[in-house]
Amino acid sequence: LAKTTQPISMDSYEGQEVNITCSHNNIATNDYITWYQQFPSQGPRFIIQGYKTKVTNEVASLFIPADRKSSTLSLPRVSLSDTAVYYCLVAMIYNQGGKLIFGQGTELSVKP
Amino acid sequence: DTEVTQTPKHLVMGMTNKKSLKCEQHMGHRAMYWYKQKAKKPPELMFVYSYEKLSINESVPSRFSPECPNSSLLNLHLHALQPEDSALYLCASSPETRAGGLNTEAFFGQGTRLTVV
Repeated sequence: LAKTTQPISMDSYEGQEVNITCSHNNIATNDYITWYQQFPSQGPRFIIQGYKTKVTNEVASLFIPADRKSSTLSLPRVSLSDTAVYYCLVAMIYNQGGKLIFGQGTELSVKP
Repeated sequence: DTEVTQTPKHLVMGMTNKKSLKCEQHMGHRAMYWYKQKAKKPPELMFVYSYEKLSINESVPSRFSPECPNSSLLNLHLHALQPEDSALYLCASSPETRAGGLNTEAFFGQGTRLTVV
């Protein structure tokens, strides 16, 4: 299963755009790139998922270059409530279930 | 109902006790997962159930025994645990994709905070 590497921590200020890049050099053809957010003492929450190019939803965008060896989660205009740990996962979808293996995560701190 | 419900929220047990963690979802999801999370660490996958059958066991010690009585329920039976097993235990579920197979958009419960004394 592809291993992911992402920065351990990032700081930002309210209203800024935050980009978190994840490296997954040995991603396989069947792997999808998925991002989760986790607040302390809560379960992770799905943010966004993609296979290639760009995906956008109401909370974030995900940019994936053609070689798929990295991806960038973009959070527009962050607020204090976006302070959390963000996990990048690559997960193969197959009939036995998506094997979701979490990497070390990026601890994002948003300051006023 | 878009929730995964875990009970109890907190559990303290002795090393000789037997206890069970419960997880329930009513979203019709056909994959369910158990994760273990230690403080300041990412969640670690323990088990995956797919269509009520155990499909993945990540070499978890036998003192942890999963059970899937039906498509909505997932249990984790605990016996003879060690203090180092103290952690947040998370349950998750995910739906089928339109093309068949199971989606990686998983819904997590709030977890059970387990303390082994």
